[in-house]
Amino acid sequence: KAGVTQTPRYLIKTRGQQVTLSCSPISGHRSVSWYQQTPGQGLQFLFEYFSETQRNKGNFPGRFSGRQFSNSRSEMNVSTLELGDSALYLCASSLSGTLAKNIQYFGAGTRLSVL
Amino acid sequence: SQQGEEDPQALSIQEGENATMNCSYKTSINNLQWYRQNSGRGLVHLILIRSNEREKHSGRLRVTLDTSKKSSSLLITASRAADTASYFCATGLDNNDMRFGAGTRLTVKP
Repeated sequence: KAGVTQTPRYLIKTRGQQVTLSCSPISGHRSVSWYQQTPGQGLQFLFEYFSETQRNKGNFPGRFSGRQFSNSRSEMNVSTLELGDSALYLCASSLSGTLAKNIQYFGAGTRLSVL
Repeated sequence: SQQGEEDPQALSIQEGENATMNCSYKTSINNLQWYRQNSGRGLVHLILIRSNEREKHSGRLRVTLDTSKKSSSLLITASRAADTASYFCATGLDNNDMRFGAGTRLTVKP
């Protein structure tokens, strides 16, 4: 089975722009979660989608949003980019059930740099 | 916000030695998982231990969980240069959240 695929791998944007990141989960996985990783804050949970519905949300401003399509693929959008949004964005998928009880399979991440 | 705290933040050992990393957390959990991350890459799941388990093994990995002390440890035996990576604990919470710690950076010198 193919693993979790994130595109693009690298992105450079300027402040004020918006960006969309994409994640294709492992075939058959219905849960997709997004994380932001920075040297200062570590790995922080953004949100989780399951069957096209946001099931869980971390403590991030409304500029961070996401969605999930019927084929379980997910996109994450960040509007009005700030310098502090520079980070590695990781997507993870898991089979089903509750996020807290399942093993997550991570993609390689999208490295976003905001200038 | 992070739930787990790994200790130490960084660990450097020689190949063949054992490496022990600790994780402490604050609230009750459903399970605790350990993940490995090679530099700038995604995380790879290592082992999951449920809240009613005390010890689990997988190859050269041994994980213990003490829910009374809200702590877990990961032991890597006979370490190899390829074990060089960051190791994170992740706690599955009762409210279905999952929280990662800050990680331990392990360097294994050949």
